[in-house]
Amino acid sequence: GAGVSQSPSNKVTEKGKDVELRCDPISGHTALYWYRQSLGQGLEFLIYFQGNSAPDKSGLPSDRFSAERTGGSVSTLTIQRTQQEDSAVYLCASSPRGTSGPNEQFFGPGTRLTVL
Amino acid sequence: GEDVEQSLFLSVREGDSSVINCTYTDSSSTYLYWYKQEPGAGLQLLTYIFSNMDMKQDQRLTVLLNKKDKHLSLRIADTQTGDSAIYFCAESIHTGGFKTIFGAGTRLFVKA
Repeated sequence: GAGVSQSPSNKVTEKGKDVELRCDPISGHTALYWYRQSLGQGLEFLIYFQGNSAPDKSGLPSDRFSAERTGGSVSTLTIQRTQQEDSAVYLCASSPRGTSGPNEQFFGPGTRLTVL
Repeated sequence: GEDVEQSLFLSVREGDSSVINCTYTDSSSTYLYWYKQEPGAGLQLLTYIFSNMDMKQDQRLTVLLNKKDKHLSLRIADTQTGDSAIYFCAESIHTGGFKTIFGAGTRLFVKA
């Protein structure tokens, strides 16, 4: 069965450009998460979508970052006016759980973003 | 605030036991997790423990939870070279849904 997929796998961009990162979650999963993993850092929570509820955007580092999830499925993370400090691996995960029970997250392989 | 801390590196010899430790701050955590990340791959759930338990065993893995001290550990018995990876501790916090906070990850090196 298909897991979580992300595209592109690698993205090199110039400082100041906008980028869009895509995540295709596992079909039927109600929750979707975006994280950022920088070299030597842990996973930094960015945003969380749960069903039709308003997303939890508390982890977005600045207003240059935004994300949407269309039709409860595919999600796009957009970074406007990229900066060098945005360089990182962006990981997407989805989860089948609602709001009870253990929350196993299934991760995609990530998009490695390099801002020159 | 919410925070999960773990040491960054651990080196063991093949066949020995590995113990990876983690501390967390949010006392309302419902579940605590251990994820494994192999080189070039995404994270994969290894095991989890409900917050009202103090131990869980799953084959070579033993999870110990000290809720009073907010301390979680993962013991891997008979560590193999294939266990070399980054291990992330994580906690789920109920915020109307699930927000999961991850630690920085412990890189486990297994020497043959």
